[in-house]
Amino acid sequence: QVQLVQSGAEIKKPGASVKVSCKASGYIFTGYYIHWFRQAPGQGLEWMGWINPNSGGTKYAQNFQGRVTMTRDTSISTAYMELSRLTTDDTAVCYCARVLAAPSAFDIWGQGTMVTVSS
Amino acid sequence: SYVLTQPPSVSVAPGKAARITCGGNNIGSKRVHWYQQKPGQAPVLVISYDSDRPSGIPERFSGSNSGNTATLTISRVEAGDEADYYCQVWTSITDLPIFGGGTELTVL
Repeated sequence: QVQLVQSGAEIKKPGASVKVSCKASGYIFTGYYIHWFRQAPGQGLEWMGWINPNSGGTKYAQNFQGRVTMTRDTSISTAYMELSRLTTDDTAVCYCARVLAAPSAFDIWGQGTMVTVSS
Repeated sequence: SYVLTQPPSVSVAPGKAARITCGGNNIGSKRVHWYQQKPGQAPVLVISYDSDRPSGIPERFSGSNSGNTATLTISRVEAGDEADYYCQVWTSITDLPIFGGGTELTVL
């Protein structure tokens, strides 16, 4: 079936980087954009950016410019999101989700990856 | 920037209808999507393009969109419908996704 499976929980120290993976299966990976979101404890969804798995093109939210890098490996149908210079405010669950293109809906989401930043 | 406004919480008795609103300037001109998120789980699409139900979503879920308000209606609410609900649109020029702040649905 169509699914996105994310990597496991991460615990990082302030100043470190984290890289989260999102493996697609059940559909043509290059046919859909992958967007990344995060959700701090008790908060709503915050958009981080997207990657076009076909071209590798990316667009990042202004809040994360300079700190986030999104990549993909089409040979294994996997997208990656790396966030650097972590602070405790980056403690959140990160989600990947696929979308055909605007104005479509995000129809498949990954299960989420908890990123904890603590000294 | 475009803002979507949702009530923080809605409460409803079992068997009654719950209506969750999403306000935005001329939102009726946009296509609205709704997501359900239960505690500890990822969001799930429940309504797309204002009123379309994805496969597997009960008929009790419906949506409408007109003027400055989009509405998600859940008829005959069940305990299992307790969740946070988010509306979402795309910005007109930059094609970026925007989410409402979310509404916590409580079944009394």
